[in-house]
Amino acid sequence: QLHLQQSGPGLVKPSETLSLTCTVSGDSISSSPSFWGWLRQPPGKGLEWIGSTFNDGTTYYNPSLKSRLTISADTSKNELSLSLRSVTAADTAIYYCARNVVMGTAPPGYFDSWGHGTLVTVSS
Amino acid sequence: SYELTQPSSVSVSPGQTARITCSGDDLPTHYTSWYQLKPGQAPVLLIFSDTERASGIPERFSGSTSGTIVTLTISAAQAADEGDYYCQSSDRIEGYSHVIFGGGTRLTVL
Repeated sequence: QLHLQQSGPGLVKPSETLSLTCTVSGDSISSSPSFWGWLRQPPGKGLEWIGSTFNDGTTYYNPSLKSRLTISADTSKNELSLSLRSVTAADTAIYYCARNVVMGTAPPGYFDSWGHGTLVTVSS
Repeated sequence: SYELTQPSSVSVSPGQTARITCSGDDLPTHYTSWYQLKPGQAPVLLIFSDTERASGIPERFSGSTSGTIVTLTISAAQAADEGDYYCQSSDRIEGYSHVIFGGGTRLTVL
């Protein structure tokens, strides 16, 4: 059974970098035909896709976050990572990692298994 | 870019049928998925490819499409179905497709 375990700090200072990790068990990132994605939900607001990556390094980002964003997969550790630079209070949200099943060779597809989420607060 | 529009809330009595709509001009040409979110829990995929039920999802949950509107139908609604429901589809920006979500619908069963 697929399980996504998220880790990372729950508090980040403004202008610093938000970094989260998602450890995958029950599937192998290196051999999976799926992408692996990050999404978030700010308090009181809706879901927002952040970006998705494939095991060959191919990555698709939300255009609104692209300039501050790096998403990558470490196939040796079966881990997915998120790095969001120069954060502000607007980046405060619950962050989720998820398996991104695609019907072709690229997103959007759909997200069939999710982590439990990490609340990240941006505050000094 | 364009938006997916959902009602902010839907309320039904237990045992009734709840219908949650999602509208968008490009929905006829892109697949839609539906998710259920509850506080403190991992989001759950309910429906993908407009009408396909995800693994382990009860038959009470179904998806349908009609033109620019897709609908999630929950038959015989239960208190356990209360939560937030989001539709997801795609938009094309900078030459390739991106994931977009509707604003979400709060379902109340009482």
